Amino acid sequence: EIVLTQSPEFQSVTPKEKVTITCRASQSIGTSLHWYQQKPDQSPKLLIKYASQSISGVPSRFSGSGSGTDFTLTINSLEAEDGATYFCHQTTGFPYTFGQGTKLEIK
Amino acid sequence: EIHLVESGGGLVQPGGSLRLSCAASGFTFSTFGMSWVRQAPGQGLEWVSSISGSDDSTYYADSVKGRFTISRDISRNTLYLQMYSLRPEDTAVYYCAKGQWELYHWGQGTLVTVSS
Repeated sequence: EIVLTQSPEFQSVTPKEKVTITCRASQSIGTSLHWYQQKPDQSPKLLIKYASQSISGVPSRFSGSGSGTDFTLTINSLEAEDGATYFCHQTTGFPYTFGQGTKLEIK
Repeated sequence: EIHLVESGGGLVQPGGSLRLSCAASGFTFSTFGMSWVRQAPGQGLEWVSSISGSDDSTYYADSVKGRFTISRDISRNTLYLQMYSLRPEDTAVYYCAKGQWELYHWGQGTLVTVSS
């Protein structure tokens, strides 16, 4: 099983700050890595697919990068509405797996 | 607009069975893979199962293999998850999602509670 480890697990951030969340895979997964945002009491929402591909309707302040084992989700100029938990998800090999999540708290 | 609406959750005793449904609309259901993902209370996301859009091949997490079955009814635009031999650790909100790899759209989820 491919284990995805996210860091940090929790971060308290201020609006307009730049935020970087990392996801490390236990083995190479190419670019089959997707990012989701989940706000409290809501379903997850796809933010980035295949490591760096943008999703229609997602604000441009969200971007992704990486390949192989190391991936990054970057939020430029954080907004108050970005307070949520973020998950990475690999679909290279079965079983598909998710990272444990990164909770962003807005100060 | 794409809609996914799950139903069928509830309280079930350990060892019991339940069938979840996911009614899909707003896209050509027969041509897309679909998935089930669950989230235990206060926990992260766990991939459960997927069905291929090309040939209906099915895939399962080890934790549910042999106990859960994913299927779809094209005529009803509905995805199913048949769950047998339920365990307390299966307690979670179960989401259906459009896609086999990147999960573009998610339903609101249905809560399954396994408890005596």
